[in-house]
Amino acid sequence: RKEVEQDPGPFNVPEGATVAFNCTYSNSASQSFFWYRQDCRKEPKLLMSVYSSGNEDGRFTAQLNRASQYISLLIRDSKLSDSATYLCVVNGAGGSYIPTFGRGTSLIVHP
Amino acid sequence: DVKVTQSSRYLVKRTGEKVFLECVQDMDHENMFWYRQDPGLGLRLIYFSYDVKMKEKGDIPEGYSVSREKKERFSLILESASTNQTSMYLCATFPESRNQPQHFGDGTRLSIL
Repeated sequence: RKEVEQDPGPFNVPEGATVAFNCTYSNSASQSFFWYRQDCRKEPKLLMSVYSSGNEDGRFTAQLNRASQYISLLIRDSKLSDSATYLCVVNGAGGSYIPTFGRGTSLIVHP
Repeated sequence: DVKVTQSSRYLVKRTGEKVFLECVQDMDHENMFWYRQDPGLGLRLIYFSYDVKMKEKGDIPEGYSVSREKKERFSLILESASTNQTSMYLCATFPESRNQPQHFGDGTRLSIL
């Protein structure tokens, strides 16, 4: 079983839609969680950290469910510029402090 | 803001050449990483370093070596480049407090002909 799993998509949604991605992790001792955004042929950039109580940044909401071992990212009112790959990152997923990356979920927002 | 600088955005080398990829960070972070990213395979960890002169193998170290002589600089070396090492190479850092996110350089797109 992979340590961090994501649905690769693509998720194809119209502008203005709400879309949600999940990411599951296998190690219950995992310590910290992040969502990154990666544009085509560019480096990953931190979108937001994920806190136990859930957190919001504008149109983006991240949540952590430790009991079921997944994190989620919700994007409201999707924009064309949200089209990208979203990477889930878990520190400690492999039993060490090394970050483990999911393979990413592709989002395409169309007019 | 953390600044992670990779020496080249694009690089073309020939099979058999020794290739050096350099990464420099300005935030005094202890931990530095080298990844490669290929379509459909995600990010794969090549090597990482948690201190000067310390290095650990990641998931795919074969064909690579690293050097960390100074805290701010982490070099990836392809001893004898091969065509299957054509890839996007990404350097990342994070501080000793390991619950922090990583910061990435812009990446080096390396082509081996």
